[in-house]
Amino acid sequence: DAGVTQSPTHLIKTRGQHVTLRCSPISGHKSVSWYQQVLGQGPQFIFQYYEKEERGRGNFPDRFSARQFPNYSSELNVNALLLGDSALYLCASSFGLAYPGELFFGEGSRLTVL
Amino acid sequence: KQEVTQIPAALSVPEGENLVLNCSFTDSAIYNLQWFRQDPGKGLTSLLLIQSSQREQTSGRLNASLDKSSGRSTLYIAASQPGDSATYLCAVLNYGQNFVFGPGTRLSVLP
Repeated sequence: DAGVTQSPTHLIKTRGQHVTLRCSPISGHKSVSWYQQVLGQGPQFIFQYYEKEERGRGNFPDRFSARQFPNYSSELNVNALLLGDSALYLCASSFGLAYPGELFFGEGSRLTVL
Repeated sequence: KQEVTQIPAALSVPEGENLVLNCSFTDSAIYNLQWFRQDPGKGLTSLLLIQSSQREQTSGRLNASLDKSSGRSTLYIAASQPGDSATYLCAVLNYGQNFVFGPGTRLSVLP
């Protein structure tokens, strides 16, 4: 069975541009969460989607948005990129909202903003 | 607001040693706790999940314990190997909230 897949794996953008990151969850999982991880730190929660509805949002500006599609895949969009947005963006899937709650992560999308 | 810390930040041990990684959290009303491994530049690999009603979980050479009342979890690695070198992160899930991660412990196992 395929795990969580993310694309692209690496990308380089310049300040002010827009980026879209994509994630496909494990088959049968209905919840997708997005995390930002800067070098040397633990992942920071950005969004959680369940059954195509936003169920949680972390402390990120409105430049960050996301959505979940009927097939449970998800997109993370970031507008007006800043240098500080350079990070590893991780997508995680889980079966439901809470129980059993185990997260499974993809390999991430490494974003560099110049 | 839940806060998660991990001690030590980095650890270097010779191959074959048994070792303990620590995770502390401030809000004990957790739903579950999960340990992950992360290789440089890669995603997170789930190691163990402990539900709030459980005291410990074991997988191979790994054993994770949970003491909710004291806000602590430990990850025990037996007979460490160079392939265990990675960053180990713990994350806690509170009711109605989302996973909060610690900063990780960077482990180096020397051959």
